[in-house]
Amino acid sequence: NAGVTQTPKFQVLKTGQSMTLQCAQDMNHEYMSWYRQDPGMGLRLIHYSVGAGITDQGEVPNGYNVSRSTTEDFPLRLLSAAPSQTSVYFCASSRTSYNSPLHFGNGTRLTVT
Amino acid sequence: EDQVTQSPEALRLQEGESSSLNCSYTVSGLRGLFWYRQDPGKGPEFLFTLYSAGEEKEKERLKATLTKKESFLHITAPKPEDSATYLCAVQANSGYALNFGKGTSLLVTP
Repeated sequence: NAGVTQTPKFQVLKTGQSMTLQCAQDMNHEYMSWYRQDPGMGLRLIHYSVGAGITDQGEVPNGYNVSRSTTEDFPLRLLSAAPSQTSVYFCASSRTSYNSPLHFGNGTRLTVT
Repeated sequence: EDQVTQSPEALRLQEGESSSLNCSYTVSGLRGLFWYRQDPGKGPEFLFTLYSAGEEKEKERLKATLTKKESFLHITAPKPEDSATYLCAVQANSGYALNFGKGTSLLVTP
């Protein structure tokens, strides 16, 4: 099993550009989520999904969209990149939406200039 | 509002010098408390889940304990390979999200 795979590993965008961060898991996990990690802030939840076709907002959803058309994939879309979105983004999945440990990908480091 | 506070922010130990990391939390009904290890440039790696006060879990040199207000991660006779950032997170009964602390950066020197 590959676990949780995130692509790309690194990305540089200009302000106003859009892009999609990809996330795929091969563990048949029900729950998937996106976090951002900033120095001194800890991990903060952006969006999550409890199953295919179901998504909801986390703590910091503004400027991001998600969809979950399959169990395996959970892409994160930046609609119009801003310097405040410079961060490391982690995708995570778990077997169920509660009491199951999250399995994290290795992150995408995004810089917006 | 749920809050998770980890201390110290950074800890430097000599190899073999045991210590503890603290995770204090406030949550409206604890569903679970999670400990993760994060190496530089990697995603967090799951270590333990604790569900109720008094519970303890062990893995190699690590032991996690839980009270009604805090959790401790005890590191016994650490080795340099234990150097990492240790993250604590709580999940409340009311939702799905894990609320993470800012982490403790541990450096173990030979």
